[in-house]
Amino acid sequence: GAVVSQHPSWVICKSGTSVKIECRSLDFQATTMFWYRQFPKQSLMLMATSNEGSKATYEQGVEKDKFLINHASLTLSTLTVTSAHPEDSSFYICSADSGSDTQYFGPGTRLTVL
Amino acid sequence: QKEVEQNSGPLSVPEGAIASLNCTYSDRGSQSFFWYRQYSGKSPELIMSIYSNGDKEDGRFTAQLNKASQYVSLLIRDSQPSDSATYLCAVDAGNMLTFGGGTRLMVKP
Repeated sequence: GAVVSQHPSWVICKSGTSVKIECRSLDFQATTMFWYRQFPKQSLMLMATSNEGSKATYEQGVEKDKFLINHASLTLSTLTVTSAHPEDSSFYICSADSGSDTQYFGPGTRLTVL
Repeated sequence: QKEVEQNSGPLSVPEGAIASLNCTYSDRGSQSFFWYRQYSGKSPELIMSIYSNGDKEDGRFTAQLNKASQYVSLLIRDSQPSDSATYLCAVDAGNMLTFGGGTRLMVKP
């Protein structure tokens, strides 16, 4: 149980384009999902907390207009990186709260912006 | 600011030995504590959760919590080369996890 999926697992795009990443909880409903970013050899950095049916809460320094988050249902949250640039290249990981204060992570999406 | 501190390592242990990973946290209000394992290029995988003082054992893994000292540890018995990974300590103080920087463990055959 407690499986979280992400799609796509790997994406390469040109600078200036937008990329959408999906995060799904497959066997449980998640009222809260989280989006993290991880640069090579660094720890996870929380970007935003996503609650179903409401606006996401962004961490300090994260541009909400650049990283659009939509939590449309109890099993799906999306992160759209708008006008991506090479410095946005990173490993993006979502997690979902199962309701027991435990977060389960998706497999991650590796974004490379050329 | 809530902080979670871990020694970055690498911690190198021989196969079959006990690996001891340590973590301290700053927020005394923290209630839930987690250890995640992250292999290179992969996302974190939950290993253990602990909520009350004392030890919690699960197979070769034992989590230890001391809230008075604001200290949580993870022991891995009979370490295997496949245990080589980065171990992340995470502390929850209200529906949000704060991660430590992780300790890189290397188990040598």
